[in-house]
Amino acid sequence: QVQLKESGPVLVQASETLSLTCTVSGFSLTNYGVIWVRQPPGKGLEWMGIIWRNGNTDYNSALKSRLSINRDTSKSQVFLKMNSLQTDDTAIYYCTRGSAATPDYWGQGVMVTVSS
Amino acid sequence: DIQMTQSPSFLSASVGDRVTINCKASQNINKYLNWYQQKLGEAPKRLIYNTNNLQTGIPSRFSGSGSGTDYTLTISSLQPEDFATYFCLQHNSFPDTFGAGTKLELK
Repeated sequence: QVQLKESGPVLVQASETLSLTCTVSGFSLTNYGVIWVRQPPGKGLEWMGIIWRNGNTDYNSALKSRLSINRDTSKSQVFLKMNSLQTDDTAIYYCTRGSAATPDYWGQGVMVTVSS
Repeated sequence: DIQMTQSPSFLSASVGDRVTINCKASQNINKYLNWYQQKLGEAPKRLIYNTNNLQTGIPSRFSGSGSGTDYTLTISSLQPEDFATYFCLQHNSFPDTFGAGTKLELK
């Protein structure tokens, strides 16, 4: 079955870079895109960016200068990197499978706290 | 970005009740509206895509409707497992944007 699992540090210092990995199973990254979404505590969900099945990427313009998404199809992994973290980047970070560019299956998320 | 206004934020209901949750977009989203359910500690689950298409495996008591800027999720007869948070997502215009969520609680 389709599964996605996020992994990475739960605590990051302000001004540093966040690196998260999304490991997928049950589908191929060459057939589906992967979308990253985050949710700060007590706030709404924010669409961050997508890596399409052809490897191209698109980012939310609000994050574009700090965000990059890459992948290793041989390992079924997608990587998120976001630099210059601030405390308001504290959030649950989700990776989702993009079916027709819209999330269908979601990982459980990883809570990342940015400490000042 | 398109703003999605979801209402109500909280909803108290009983097993067997019929409930509706609404999302209003700041502009026409051409029925590109999905609904998701999230239970505490679990991954969100897509219930409905493109306004009224039921995701495989989702019970038929869930249905969606709407057009233009106004969309509705209806649960025809609440079951105990339906008490959760629900949110909408528009994917008509980049970037996708979400409603703030509706927490459905047992009365």
